Amino acid sequence: QVHLVESGGGVVQPGGSLSLSCAASGFTFRTYDMYWVRQAPGKGLEWIAFIRYDSSSKYFADSVKGRFTISRDNSKNTLYLQLNSLRAEDTALYYCAKGLRTYYMDVWGEGTTVTVSS
Amino acid sequence: QSALTQPASVSGSPGQSITISCSGTNSDVGGYKYVSWYQHHPGKAPKLLIYEVTDRPSGVSNRFSGSKSGYTASLTISGLQAEDEADYYCTSYTTSSTWVFGGGTKLTVL
Repeated sequence: QVHLVESGGGVVQPGGSLSLSCAASGFTFRTYDMYWVRQAPGKGLEWIAFIRYDSSSKYFADSVKGRFTISRDNSKNTLYLQLNSLRAEDTALYYCAKGLRTYYMDVWGEGTTVTVSS
Repeated sequence: QSALTQPASVSGSPGQSITISCSGTNSDVGGYKYVSWYQHHPGKAPKLLIYEVTDRPSGVSNRFSGSKSGYTASLTISGLQAEDEADYYCTSYTTSSTWVFGGGTKLTVL
């Protein structure tokens, strides 16, 4: 059974950093593209990052470009999101998702919460 | 990267059909077949309902169907059931090699 579990969320001050992880199981992780999507309190879903199965391509939303980085360790079946220079508007539930045919997100985790507050 | 435009809310009675629209531009919905729809019950993981405009993943009820005309994609839910009450989001790949979601539509089953 395909399973994604995010971790690493927490409370951080503005300007701070945080590292999120997404542990994958039940599928051949190294052959699938992966995504990060977030949902701010009371708001809709927002795509923030994408990484190809072999890390050859990475794309980011303008709202996080230059501050967030995405990476993966295929030997550990784990996806990462490094969040730097955090702002109050980065407060959200962060989901990782498995790619389907590159362009779609077919399995999602339950999310991990990031709160940016002084 | 402006969000795709969806109605904030729709409603219907059990057994009825409803349609949720998703409007974009020639840089996203109008330019690609890479449109998908997600169902999101608050507190749970979002679920893929439709991909590539019209295709359903295995296990998704055939009560859910998708279509596209020009810059607008649509999700139709037929035979509404109480458990369909949720938030629904469209998304599209864009010419900037990014993805954009719609603002979301809250479906109420009366």
